[in-house]
Amino acid sequence: EDKVVQSPLSLVVHEGDTVTLNCSYEVTNFRSLLWYKQEKKAPTFLFMLTSSGIEKKSGRLSSILDKKELFSILNITATQTGDSAVYLCAVVGYGGSQGNLIFGKGTKLSVKP
Amino acid sequence: EAQVTQNPRYLITVTGKKLTVTCSQNMNHEYMSWYRQDPGLGLRQIYYSMNVEVTDKGDVPEGYKVSRKEKRNFPLILESPSPNQTSLYFCASSLAQGAYNEQFFGPGTRLTVL
Repeated sequence: EDKVVQSPLSLVVHEGDTVTLNCSYEVTNFRSLLWYKQEKKAPTFLFMLTSSGIEKKSGRLSSILDKKELFSILNITATQTGDSAVYLCAVVGYGGSQGNLIFGKGTKLSVKP
Repeated sequence: EAQVTQNPRYLITVTGKKLTVTCSQNMNHEYMSWYRQDPGLGLRQIYYSMNVEVTDKGDVPEGYKVSRKEKRNFPLILESPSPNQTSLYFCASSLAQGAYNEQFFGPGTRLTVL
């Protein structure tokens, strides 16, 4: 059964800290891994990862995928209170259909001033 | 403005009373999908559609129906709602013919079934 496990489930840090969020997965014939950010509303897209070892970067956020060890990390440097959100990891495999998206339960990040 | 819209945004209903939640996108996207989000369970996919007239089950399809008669609309139908369908529902769409790339999410519909 395909699954996605995120850790930690919650995290409290102070502004300026660097955080690393983890996502491990098991999926039939991996196609891509996606990261989303969810504040008190709908999820918004952060990154799509398909190849191992290639870092995706957007401002203070970056992410990388390891297809051999079946995990991805999302790094946030110099955190700000506006980074407080739930970060969601999701994967798509070829095994069933490329329309089937499996989400992890998310990591709730709280950034204190 | 490019967006995914859902209606209604909030709904309180009673067990067994059929309801429809509408979803519409104005981005000419091929792929559309419905999710429900519950505390402790995260986001789970209900149904998705890769193209017009093509729909498929996600991970939690029981108790739901969908249709995709035209590209822009993807309504979610609860024929006989039950309290365990109380949840926050999101519709999403993607230009890609699948879930493997960026999806745009609607604002959500909070449904309570009494």
